[in-house]
Amino acid sequence: EPEVTQTPSHQVTQMGQEVILRCVPISNHLYFYWYRQILGQKVEFLVSFYNNEISEKSEIFDDQFSVERPDGSNFTLKIRSTKLEDSAMYFCASTEGVNTGELFFGEGSRLTVL
Amino acid sequence: QKEVEQNSGPLSVPEGAIASLNCTYSDRGSQSFFWYRQYSGKSPELIMFIYSNGDKEDGRFTAQLNKASQYVSLLIRDSQPSDSATYLCAPSGTGTASKLTFGTGTRLQVTL
Repeated sequence: EPEVTQTPSHQVTQMGQEVILRCVPISNHLYFYWYRQILGQKVEFLVSFYNNEISEKSEIFDDQFSVERPDGSNFTLKIRSTKLEDSAMYFCASTEGVNTGELFFGEGSRLTVL
Repeated sequence: QKEVEQNSGPLSVPEGAIASLNCTYSDRGSQSFFWYRQYSGKSPELIMFIYSNGDKEDGRFTAQLNKASQYVSLLIRDSQPSDSATYLCAPSGTGTASKLTFGTGTRLQVTL
């Protein structure tokens, strides 16, 4: 069964360092998302991406964040200068079409900022 | 008013009982409603979706939607210990690449 894959599964970094989280969405999907979940809190929307551009972003997704689809398969989230409060599980998700609604989530990348 | 409100629980039900999970939402434009299950330390997985007012049944799960009251619920019949998880209510937004907005989730514990 096709699945969304994310790497790394866990990354530890120092405050102020740049981090890139990678995702390979399901191959025929057209819409891509990043969500994050701080430990013990709800799953929060960060950004949606379609047709090689950002469709929507939340207040969390400030200038420190960026997304890119550098080739036909990868979808990346970059955090330019990490802060302690960026420590969270980051989930990538994709869906085939906007009307289907079902998001397929990857297993997540746990980011720990020290 | 929060966009999506759920009782955080934990909701404790004995094995074999019916678990009832509730959710209210604020965006009257939401057309689609999704219930995701999240096991501790894992990613959310879709278990049910509903578009129309009324009930929708899928196996042991029944989703109920009342758009006038902005209320959606999930019933789990014959609850099993493996149903113990956090259940996330997620109305969809509108527009291209519409996002899902998740509630805080209700933690369900099915006891033996």
